Amino acid sequence: RKEVEQDPGPFNVPEGATVAFNCTYSNSASQSFFWYRQDCRKEPKLLMSVYSSGNEDGRFTAQLNRASQYISLLIRDSKLSDSATYLCVVNPGASGTYKYIFGTGTRLKVLA
Amino acid sequence: DADVTQTPRNRITKTGKRIMLECSQTKGHDRMYWYRQDPGLGLRLIYYSFDVKDINKGEISDGYSVSRQAQAKFSLSLESAIPNQTALYFCATSDFNGGPYNEQFFGPGTRLTVL
Repeated sequence: RKEVEQDPGPFNVPEGATVAFNCTYSNSASQSFFWYRQDCRKEPKLLMSVYSSGNEDGRFTAQLNRASQYISLLIRDSKLSDSATYLCVVNPGASGTYKYIFGTGTRLKVLA
Repeated sequence: DADVTQTPRNRITKTGKRIMLECSQTKGHDRMYWYRQDPGLGLRLIYYSFDVKDINKGEISDGYSVSRQAQAKFSLSLESAIPNQTALYFCATSDFNGGPYNEQFFGPGTRLTVL
């Protein structure tokens, strides 16, 4: 089993739609979780961290389910500019450790 | 100006050649990383450094070496390039705030092709 798994997609959705991605992780002791966004041939950039209580940033909502070992990203009112690959990132270690495990990404295409 | 820069941005080289990829940052972060990205495999860690005197291997360090010349500079070398090292290489930096949530900041990437 991969340490971090994502559905590669692509998810093709119309503008204005709501779309959700999940990401599963294998290490139950994982400490921190992130969603990064990567545009084609560009560097990844932090979209949002994922906290235990769940968190929201505008149209984006991230949730963590420790019991089932997955995190999710919900995008409401999708925009054309949301088209990108979304990377799930997990830090499996204790505070201060180096290791960030990247998923292979979920590709989103928002269609006009 | 970009906070994390990489040079060169694109490089084509031949099997057996030595090549160096350079990374500089103006963020003042102690932690620096080198990753490679291959289609379908995600980003994989090659080396990381927590300060100038601290260098550590990542999950795929074979065939690579690094040098941390200063807090702001972290170079990746391929001593004898081979075709399966063709990939997109990213340098990243992060601060350490004492907790588990530390954002990584990536450079623009170097696209390396080994013929």
